Amino acid sequence: GAVVSQHPSRVICKSGTSVKIECRSLDFQATTMFWYRQFPKKSLMLMATSNEGSKATYEQGVEKDKFLINHASLTLSTLTVTSAHPEDSSFYICSAPLLSDTQYFGPGTRLTVL
Amino acid sequence: EDKVVQSPLSLVVHEGDTVTLNCSYEVTNFRSLLWYKQEKKAPTFLFMLTSSGIEKKSGRLSSILDKKELSSILNITATQTGDSAIYLCAVDPWTGAGSYQLTFGKGTKLSVIP
Repeated sequence: GAVVSQHPSRVICKSGTSVKIECRSLDFQATTMFWYRQFPKKSLMLMATSNEGSKATYEQGVEKDKFLINHASLTLSTLTVTSAHPEDSSFYICSAPLLSDTQYFGPGTRLTVL
Repeated sequence: EDKVVQSPLSLVVHEGDTVTLNCSYEVTNFRSLLWYKQEKKAPTFLFMLTSSGIEKKSGRLSSILDKKELSSILNITATQTGDSAIYLCAVDPWTGAGSYQLTFGKGTKLSVIP
């Protein structure tokens, strides 16, 4: 069945470095993928919509230059957290729609910035 | 492999009806189960159920965790058109110190008609 994977599942990095997170749709193509950030109280915030072949659409308040999104192919979107700081530490989740009402979520990536 | 199955996939009810949404899971080392409501953008967090908190209630919504049956239900009483959404169930297994992952179900699409 349709599955979305994320890599890595967990990453620890030093402050000031950049981290790349991959989101892949397995067995299906996704022209659109979504990136979320989960906050301590479990709420999910939509950060941006990744569009294959064009620029990502960012939600209000999300820094484009800080969170770079590249939708390189119909099965891969990447989120790069540039010059990461401790406040960027969070759980990042991606999702991809298969049908109009069905979203497949990745398992998430835990980022810890020291 | 962790698995979350939601049923039904879709449901149409009239305003005022009571609905029960189901979520069953197979995970190793269960830690918690989360319910979300997704309308447009990011899923909105509803409840988190753990071994120490197997029943939660908020207004017309309530949820119960059955650890023996490896399942949870989400009840909505006196439904309103504003309850129309996709309801997502996710399970957070314990995967080791510092690790964190979420496995989502496909969701139940609820449509409440006047």
